[in-house]
Amino acid sequence: DAKTTQPPSMDCAEGRAANLPCNHSTISGNEYVYWYRQIHSQGPQYIIHGLKNNETNEMASLIITEDRKSSTLILPHATLRDTAVYYCIAPPGGYQKVTFGTGTKLQVIP
Amino acid sequence: NAGVTQTPKFQVLKTGQSMTLQCAQDMNHEYMSWYRQDPGMGLRLIHYSVGAGITDQGEVPNGYNVSRSTTEDFPLRLLSAAPSQTSVYFCASRTGQLGNTIYFGEGSWLTVV
Repeated sequence: DAKTTQPPSMDCAEGRAANLPCNHSTISGNEYVYWYRQIHSQGPQYIIHGLKNNETNEMASLIITEDRKSSTLILPHATLRDTAVYYCIAPPGGYQKVTFGTGTKLQVIP
Repeated sequence: NAGVTQTPKFQVLKTGQSMTLQCAQDMNHEYMSWYRQDPGMGLRLIHYSVGAGITDQGEVPNGYNVSRSTTEDFPLRLLSAAPSQTSVYFCASRTGQLGNTIYFGEGSWLTVV
């Protein structure tokens, strides 16, 4: 699977947009980019995923660069409940073996 | 539809004891995996399976065994527990189709004393 690189931590003011970057410069053509988050020690929660086009759902937006080497997860109006560790992964096409990095710890500040 | 179910949720073991963490999914997913997460760390892959009868090692397989006799179940066995295996364990499952999501269980907290 493509190696992903994320900043270890970020802060965001409550009510503002949180923009979480992810670098996946070795991504292959059929590898999707997925975002998950983990609040405290709960099971990771799926947020969004995409292949080439930008995606939006009720939780977030995903912006993927044209060359697919990086992406940004956008939480449009961050709340305190969005404080969590956010993982960006790009599993291989058959993605039997899915590994996670250490993610970005997002702290939403009142 | 229960999703991914892990049992037990909490367990304390003595060093040298063995135990099995259970994982079951009712979504007919081909792929299942076990991860461990130590305090302040990310998820590390222990073992995974791409179907009944097929398993393979992940990043940190030592000290653990798995088997996959049915599509639904993927138990993780600790052969001789060590304090270094104190961790939170997550089971995950998904279909084999591209673009589908991974579903996680709620976790099993294991303490080895």
